[in-house]
Amino acid sequence: KQEVTQIPAALSVPEGENLVLNCSFTDSAIYNLQWFRQDPGKGLTSLLLIQSSQREQTSGRLNASLDKSSGRSTLYIAASQPGDSATYLCAVTAGNTGKLIFGQGTTLQVKP
Amino acid sequence: EAQVTQNPRYLITVTGKKLTVTCSQNMNHEYMSWYRQDPGLGLRQIYYSMNVEVTDKGDVPEGYKVSRKEKRNFPLILESPSPNQTSLYFCASSDLLAGDPQQYFGPGTRLTVT
Repeated sequence: KQEVTQIPAALSVPEGENLVLNCSFTDSAIYNLQWFRQDPGKGLTSLLLIQSSQREQTSGRLNASLDKSSGRSTLYIAASQPGDSATYLCAVTAGNTGKLIFGQGTTLQVKP
Repeated sequence: EAQVTQNPRYLITVTGKKLTVTCSQNMNHEYMSWYRQDPGLGLRQIYYSMNVEVTDKGDVPEGYKVSRKEKRNFPLILESPSPNQTSLYFCASSDLLAGDPQQYFGPGTRLTVT
């Protein structure tokens, strides 16, 4: 059974710092991996999607990497800002049903 | 604007009173699904639909029903809600069948069953 784990559960950093969020999954047979952002009272916003054949994706200050063989992904946020404060969720798609299997998330606080 | 909408956003109800949470998307996506989010358990899939009139169970379907009569709508039905269905519910859609797996989520519906 696929399990997704995110470490740390919470993170507090000063503004401007570069940071890395970690995601691990137990079964390497995935179709893709997605990183989402969740703000209180709002839905999930897709940040980056990495297909199983890809190693990384970049969008602005965000870079996500995928190492399928070791079952790991990282989300790198450069020059963090207070507006980056949110919960970040990692999810894998395993199988052709489109079902996302989520980690518990990392709650990030960026202090001004 | 491309979006997934859910109604209501907040709902407090009593045990046993049937309710429906609506979900609608304007992106012409064939794939739609429902998730619930609970503290300590994360997000779990309830039901999904690959196309009109095609629905299937996710990981936690007990106590829920869905229907897919039109491509844009995918309502979630709780025929006899119980307190353990108190949760935050999300609807999602994607162009999965066209090869685009990115999923778009609605804003969520916070349901409390007393």
